Amino acid sequence: EDKVVQSPLSLVVHEGDTVTLNCSYEVTNFRSLLWYKQEKKAPTFLFMLTSSGIEKKSGRLSSILDKKELFSILNITATQTGDSAVYLCAVGGNEKLTFGTGTRLTIIP
Amino acid sequence: DTAVSQTPKYLVTQMGNDKSIKCEQNLGHDTMYWYKQDSKKFLKIMFSYNNKELIINETVPNRFSPKSPDKAHLNLHINSLELGDSAVYFCASSQEAGQLYYEQYFGPGTRLTVT
Repeated sequence: EDKVVQSPLSLVVHEGDTVTLNCSYEVTNFRSLLWYKQEKKAPTFLFMLTSSGIEKKSGRLSSILDKKELFSILNITATQTGDSAVYLCAVGGNEKLTFGTGTRLTIIP
Repeated sequence: DTAVSQTPKYLVTQMGNDKSIKCEQNLGHDTMYWYKQDSKKFLKIMFSYNNKELIINETVPNRFSPKSPDKAHLNLHINSLELGDSAVYFCASSQEAGQLYYEQYFGPGTRLTVT
């Protein structure tokens, strides 16, 4: 069965800190890895990664995939209180997305 | 305009009842999904439809029956509701399933509480 594991489960940091969220996976027929941010309601899309070693960047957020070691990281620099959310990693394989349990990030002002 | 909409947003009902949740997307996507998110925020796929055809049916009790009247709509009917069905149900849609996993757009969710 496909498996996606995220760490840490929760993280509390001060505003301005840099954080790294981890996602490791075991998926048959890997297609792509996606990162989502979930605040109070629906998950919203951040990145889709398909190739190893190519960094995707959007403002203070960046992500990279390692298909050999089967993991991805999501970096957030200069964190702000608006970054507080649950960050979900999902991996596509065998015609479905499998989600991890998420990392709950809390930014203290 | 809302891309993926669900109704109702909240649903409180008693055990044993039958209820439906509706989902509509106006993005022109071919694929739609139902997910269940439990109290620990774990998001698990239930069903996936591509062009009105069922392509994923995870291990879900047969009390849950999806129906797709056209590719813009995917409804979820639940019979004989149980306490364990309490969760947030998300509808989502995407451009295409199978080859790659493109961005999935999620609806606002329906919080179902079974008492």
